[in-house]
Amino acid sequence: QQQVKQSPQSLIVQKGGISIINCAYENTAFDYFPWYQQFPGKGPALLIAIRPDVSEKKEGRFTISFNKSAKQFSLHIMDSQPGDSATYFCAAKGGGYNKLIFGAGTRLAVHP
Amino acid sequence: KAGVTQTPRYLIKTRGQQVTLSCSPISGHRSVSWYQQTPGQGLQFLFEYFSETQRNKGNFPGRFSGRQFSNSRSEMNVSTLELGDSALYLCASSQSMGNTEAFFGQGTRLTVV
Repeated sequence: QQQVKQSPQSLIVQKGGISIINCAYENTAFDYFPWYQQFPGKGPALLIAIRPDVSEKKEGRFTISFNKSAKQFSLHIMDSQPGDSATYFCAAKGGGYNKLIFGAGTRLAVHP
Repeated sequence: KAGVTQTPRYLIKTRGQQVTLSCSPISGHRSVSWYQQTPGQGLQFLFEYFSETQRNKGNFPGRFSGRQFSNSRSEMNVSTLELGDSALYLCASSQSMGNTEAFFGQGTRLTVV
């Protein structure tokens, strides 16, 4: 019940295309869902986050879509750029703690 | 505003030794969490500290321990190192308990030989 399932494991997108990464969770106590971007040799960087009282949040080229009834959320990267090539992690937490449950990660490659 | 600082960045230790890693959170942040990242297991929660008290603990053996000081800086210790402890250890800083944003440091790369 603590798991967060992320797909796909890897993704190749052409420059200018849309990258879509999906996550699903089971624990209905989760009430905060962040996405992190990680480059090799670096720590994860907070990209964007959403709470379940909204269905969508957009920041620049990054959009989170959230479906509370399906217990799913996704990250859309519009106009994908080679500089977006990184590993992306979805995560979830709740219950008043800061413990993050991470998905397995998606390795994104954006080809020029 | 300085980010999360982890020291050292790299460590090589021998099996059976112990190691201490340090984390200085963002100024004003009082919650520190630790994670282990490996290719096989991904990112796994170790423990969380707030106001010098451990608030939550992950599913790791007792060889993994931590503490937090009054200035919110935190240390984690791994005793009797095993080859499988080789990993990137990450520290995350949050302003308080609850659903606040978490910001990660660069991590400490521990290699056990």
